[in-house]
Amino acid sequence: AQSVSQHNHHVILSEAASLELGCNYSYGGTVNLFWYVQYPGQHLQLLLKYFSGDPLVKGIKGFEAEFIKSKFSFNLRKPSVQWSDTAEYFCAVNQGFQKLVFGTGTRLLVSP
Amino acid sequence: DAGVIQSPRHEVTEMGQEVTLRCKPISGHDYLFWYRQTMMRGLELLIYFNNNVPIDDSGMPEDRFSAKMPNASFSTLKIQPSEPRDSAVYFCASSLGISDNEQFFGPGTRLTVL
Repeated sequence: AQSVSQHNHHVILSEAASLELGCNYSYGGTVNLFWYVQYPGQHLQLLLKYFSGDPLVKGIKGFEAEFIKSKFSFNLRKPSVQWSDTAEYFCAVNQGFQKLVFGTGTRLLVSP
Repeated sequence: DAGVIQSPRHEVTEMGQEVTLRCKPISGHDYLFWYRQTMMRGLELLIYFNNNVPIDDSGMPEDRFSAKMPNASFSTLKIQPSEPRDSAVYFCASSLGISDNEQFFGPGTRLTVL
């Protein structure tokens, strides 16, 4: 079955530290890739998405993600996190006209 | 647009009672999705509609769950009878398309079944 894996369930960082959250998927062929963020008590919002073209995608709030096809990965990065980045981050993938499949999420806690 | 609207925001009920969750998608969006979020299972897709027609309900846990979309601006998710294990946050989302379109999520309904 097609799946999306986020290996880090909980991440704790200090402010100004660099962030990288892993995301791997099991699909073959062309995929659409997304990162969503859920701030405490809020709904999911789109951070960034990749459909085609430049594999390095820049999103809102200084986040970026790199699509590495050979590794089936779409890792999320931010060079310097802030306390306000404390949230849960979800990777999601779909293929063609198939439904979006979400990873289990990574909870990020940034200490001031 | 006000975004995806869900009601109620919080629901507390007793085991065995019927629960109805409501969703108004963003106007013009052809797809509507119902998700359930729990600590144990994360974010699960329950069912989705295209142009008011259910397309994939394979995520609906059991017959106690049912969803309808009588028109383009309204959908319900019903649980009858409810059980404590149904306690979760239920999100509704809508999008223009299914493949490369962003899904816009509502604020969710936090359901507690006692």
